[in-house]
Amino acid sequence: GAGVSQSPSNKVTEKGKDVELRCDPISGHTALYWYRQSLGQGLEFLIYFQGNSAPDKSGLPSDRFSAERTGGSVSTLTIQRTQQEDSAVYLCASSFSSGKYEQYFGPGTRLTVT
Amino acid sequence: GEDVEQSLFLSVREGDSSVINCTYTDSSSTYLYWYKQEPGAGLQLLTYIFSNMDMKQDQRLTVLLNKKDKHLSLRIADTQTGDSAIYFCAESPGSGNTGKLIFGQGTTLQVKP
Repeated sequence: GAGVSQSPSNKVTEKGKDVELRCDPISGHTALYWYRQSLGQGLEFLIYFQGNSAPDKSGLPSDRFSAERTGGSVSTLTIQRTQQEDSAVYLCASSFSSGKYEQYFGPGTRLTVT
Repeated sequence: GEDVEQSLFLSVREGDSSVINCTYTDSSSTYLYWYKQEPGAGLQLLTYIFSNMDMKQDQRLTVLLNKKDKHLSLRIADTQTGDSAIYFCAESPGSGNTGKLIFGQGTTLQVKP
């Protein structure tokens, strides 16, 4: 079966522009997570969605970052007015439910802000 | 606060055992995880251990948990060149109900033939 997919795989944008990153979780997975992997900060949790519950946004680094999950499936992470420090690989993961269930990671979107 | 620490680099010879260490801070973490990331590939769950266990063995992998010291280790027996990768320790803070993961910085394992 298909795994978690993310698009685009690479994105180069100019400082100050907005970007949208997309995640398609595994069908039937109710929990969806966004993480960021950068050289300076390692792997950081950003935001988590579980079913129809309010998302846990505690990891979002600033109000320029937002995410939504439509219909309990596809998720979009939006970064407004991108800065150079936003350059990183953005990883999406999904799991059957929250808690101990294995999180399956997508290949990531490499974002470069010039 | 939530923090996970790992050494950054480990080099071993093929056939030797590798031991990767990790310390975490949240004593209420219910589950602790080891993930593997190979060059150009995504993160893959290797194994996890429930906090009321001291040890878990899965083929060449042995996970040891010292809850008192908040210390977790991953032992890879008979390390192969294919084991070369970055290994991440992660905790799921609190009761673990969310599954949100806090990762260490990752340990790069280099296996020399």
